[in-house]
Amino acid sequence: QQQVKQSPQSLIVQKGGISIINCAYENTAFDYFPWYQQFPGKGPALLIAIRPDVSEKKEGRFTISFNKSAKQFSLHIMDSQPGDSATYFCAASHSARQLTFGSGTQLTVLP
Amino acid sequence: GAVVSQHPSWVICKSGTSVKIECRSLDFQATTMFWYRQFPKQSLMLMATSNEGSKATYEQGVEKDKFLINHASLTLSTLTVTSAHPEDSSFYICSARGTVTTGELFFGEGSRLTVL
Repeated sequence: QQQVKQSPQSLIVQKGGISIINCAYENTAFDYFPWYQQFPGKGPALLIAIRPDVSEKKEGRFTISFNKSAKQFSLHIMDSQPGDSATYFCAASHSARQLTFGSGTQLTVLP
Repeated sequence: GAVVSQHPSWVICKSGTSVKIECRSLDFQATTMFWYRQFPKQSLMLMATSNEGSKATYEQGVEKDKFLINHASLTLSTLTVTSAHPEDSSFYICSARGTVTTGELFFGEGSRLTVL
C-alpha cells in the first residue's frame, strides 16, 4: 500500500516561475515530512523538512506548506532556475523510523 | 549537514560473483543505517534497516541471504550482494541517522552496480 502519493510525475517550468509539487499521506502517525532533491547518479540530498506543529516553513526559495487536516504537504520553489532541474521526492516518517518516499517528480526548468 | 560516504560509487562485476558496498558516516555516529535500491526513474525502495551490533531487519520480498548487511560499528555498514546476477543491477543507496533521533537522514552518494 503506497502511503505517500506524489504528483505530478513530471513538471516543466520556465525560468523564474514557481514550481509546485504535492504530496498526500495516509498514516496520521507520520510526524516528519522532508523533501529531497536528487540529481542523476547521485544520492538524495535533504532540501527542507517540516513537522506537523507548523503549517509552513521557508528556507530561501524553498517553502513547504503543510495541511494536517487534509493530510497533504507541498513544496514550492520560487524563482525556479535551470539548476533546480532534478528529481524531487517527498517523504514521511513516524517517530524517527524509516522514511516512506513518494514516487518522485522530475522537474525541468527551461532557460 | 552530516556526511555519509559510499564506496565504490560504481562497480561492474561478472554474474556469480559477490560485491561489497561500504557506507560510512564520516562525522557522526550512526546507530541506524538504511539501505535502499533505486531503479531508473523510480523512487527509493527500502531494502533493510541495520542497527549497530544487531541483525538487520529486511523488508518483505528482500532476500537476506542474497543481500548481506553488516553494521559492525557506529560508522560503518556494508551491503554484500552475493552471487550477483544481471537483475541485481541497480543503484544502491545507504542512509544514516545519528544518535540524536531527530528523524533526519543523511544519504550517501549511491553505488551503481552493473552485473554482466
